[in-house]
Amino acid sequence: SQTIHQWPATLVQPVGSPLSLECTVEGTSNPNLYWYRQAAGRGLQLLFYSVGIGQISSEVPQNLSASRPQDRQFILSSKKLLLSDSGFYLCASGSGETQYFGPGTRLLVL
Amino acid sequence: EDQVTQSPEALRLQEGESSSLNCSYTVSGLRGLFWYRQDPGKGPEFLFTLYSAGEEKEKERLKATLTKKESFLHITAPKPEDSATYLCAVPEMNSGYSTLTFGKGTMLLVSP
Repeated sequence: SQTIHQWPATLVQPVGSPLSLECTVEGTSNPNLYWYRQAAGRGLQLLFYSVGIGQISSEVPQNLSASRPQDRQFILSSKKLLLSDSGFYLCASGSGETQYFGPGTRLLVL
Repeated sequence: EDQVTQSPEALRLQEGESSSLNCSYTVSGLRGLFWYRQDPGKGPEFLFTLYSAGEEKEKERLKATLTKKESFLHITAPKPEDSATYLCAVPEMNSGYSTLTFGKGTMLLVSP
């Protein structure tokens, strides 16, 4: 079975600062990778997905970007954080349509 | 666009009090319906996939069923450790690739 690692677990950042969240996957190869944001009362919002190295699709235009430098590594970034970027960020991995989630990163932008 | 609606938003049960959670969907050509459990501050944990109307799957006190318009997650004689948010999701095609569209979830609280 696959294991998804995310770090950091929690992060407090000032408005305007950069962001880098990392996700790595063990136990599978060539997975589809996903970044979600979960805000209270709004459910899981898909931000980015990737079907291979260097292949990124964005679901919503926003202040964030994603990169996949290696097969099992997925990075979420921002050059300048906004207050509205606060939330719980989840990385998921899947082959086929079933997705498995990491433990998440809680981001608070002040 | 596919839509997934879960009800109720929150449900409080006494230990041993059975109930059901609902997930209704609008989708053209269902390719599966997924149930997840999410504990506070953690990532969702995969529970079940259902593919066709009439299909049922069970895991401990949970049983998921599927019709052509909705899915139910039945909880029989729940225990406090079943307290969590339960999410359902359906696949959606995006530019030839499949992604999951999630409902907002039902928050279940089981009191001892």
